[in-house]
This record gives sequence, structure tokens and C-alpha cells, in this order.
Amino acid sequence: DTGVSQDPRHKITKRGQNVTFRCDPISEHNRLYWYRQTLGQGPEFLTYFQNEAQLEKSRLLSDRFSAERPKGSFSTLEIQRTEQGDSAMYLCASSFGGSFTGELFFGEGSRLTVL
Amino acid sequence: AQTVTQSQPEMSVQEAETVTLSCTYDTSESDYYLFWYKQPPSRQMILVIRQEAYKQQNATENRFSVNFQKAAKSFSLKISDSQLGDAAMYFCAYRSHGTYKYIFGTGTRLKVLA
Repeated sequence: DTGVSQDPRHKITKRGQNVTFRCDPISEHNRLYWYRQTLGQGPEFLTYFQNEAQLEKSRLLSDRFSAERPKGSFSTLEIQRTEQGDSAMYLCASSFGGSFTGELFFGEGSRLTVL
Repeated sequence: AQTVTQSQPEMSVQEAETVTLSCTYDTSESDYYLFWYKQPPSRQMILVIRQEAYKQQNATENRFSVNFQKAAKSFSLKISDSQLGDAAMYFCAYRSHGTYKYIFGTGTRLKVLA
């Protein structure tokens, strides 16, 4: 297994366009997380899944953001009607449900630039 | 709500020397986990060390060790014999037992000087 992979690594879009990011977790990991990281800040929690169920979603997340994890495998994060404030690194992480501490394994991130 | 604070935006250390990164957190819970993650430039974040709150003994992983002070809600990371490859952003993170939502601090950028 090569770890958590994210696609695309970099996306440049114009304000108002929709964008979608994909995350493929480590195969045996049943938990999947999305975080957002802006320059000089730590990762900010967006949402997480256990298998295909979305168990928690940040209250800071506007209705323009939606995430799915069909069949409990890969996940997509869609941002509709992008705004310049959405420019950030979007990090995906996964963890193994059998792990006592739930260590996160991160992907390299998808950087979004909204012009 | 739980918060994690890293008050040192940037730290520098000479190669082979020791450096300590600070982290404080706020929680009303008694059962939780604390982590230090390392984010090298343009690379993914990786776990450095973790501490379970119920354990009094401080965690150690090779050159990395923590000073966990539960009453003071302090969780510092000590890096001994610093190496050039230790240069990175370091994030302190908190997770309550029973939830899988991690809360991260704002990070400390560590520079290692040759």
C-alpha cells in the first residue's frame, strides 16, 4: 500500500466555479477525514467518515461544501460556487478503526487557488 | 470547546543540540490523547509521538520525548541531537476519547542550523 493519495494535487479555478477533490485512503482504514489548512495555520477539521457514514461535520462548513464516501472506500469533497476565501490546502487523512489511539495518516494534500 | 495553543511560531536549533517545543491545551475532559505531528516542506504530515492522558509516564520515541503535565495541561516536545531532517512544521494535536475529531494547534516552524 502506498499510503493516502489525493487528486488533484493542485487546482486553480475562477471564483464561482465548482471543484471536486478525491481521496483514496489506506485500504484497511475505515475512518476518513477532511481537513483544511491555510498558510500559517494548523489543520482545521471539516468532516469525518466511519465507513460510508459521515459522523461529524464542522459547523464552520458552509452549505457549499459537501463530502461523500460511497461504499466506504474513496471520498470526494466538493466545493460549489468557490470563493477566494476557499483558497487553502485540503488534507485528507485516514485511520484504522482497530487502532486504540486512532493515529492519522495524511495524504499530501490538494491545494486550491481561487482567482 | 477544546483548544490547542502553540505559542512559538518559530524556533531554531543548532545541529546536534536539543530543542523543546511548547504546547498547551484546554479541556474539561479527563480521558484524551495528545499527539505531535511533523509536516516537512511540501510533504505529508506524519506522526512523531503520542501520549495517552491516563498514562503518567512520558512517551519517548528515539530522539523525541514529551513532557506531559496533565494538571497544567501542558504537552511539550523535546528533540535531542537535532538533525537537519528535523526541520519542519510541528503541530500539537488533541483528541478526546470517544470521538475521532482531532484539534490542531497553529504549529511551530523548526529550523535546524548546520
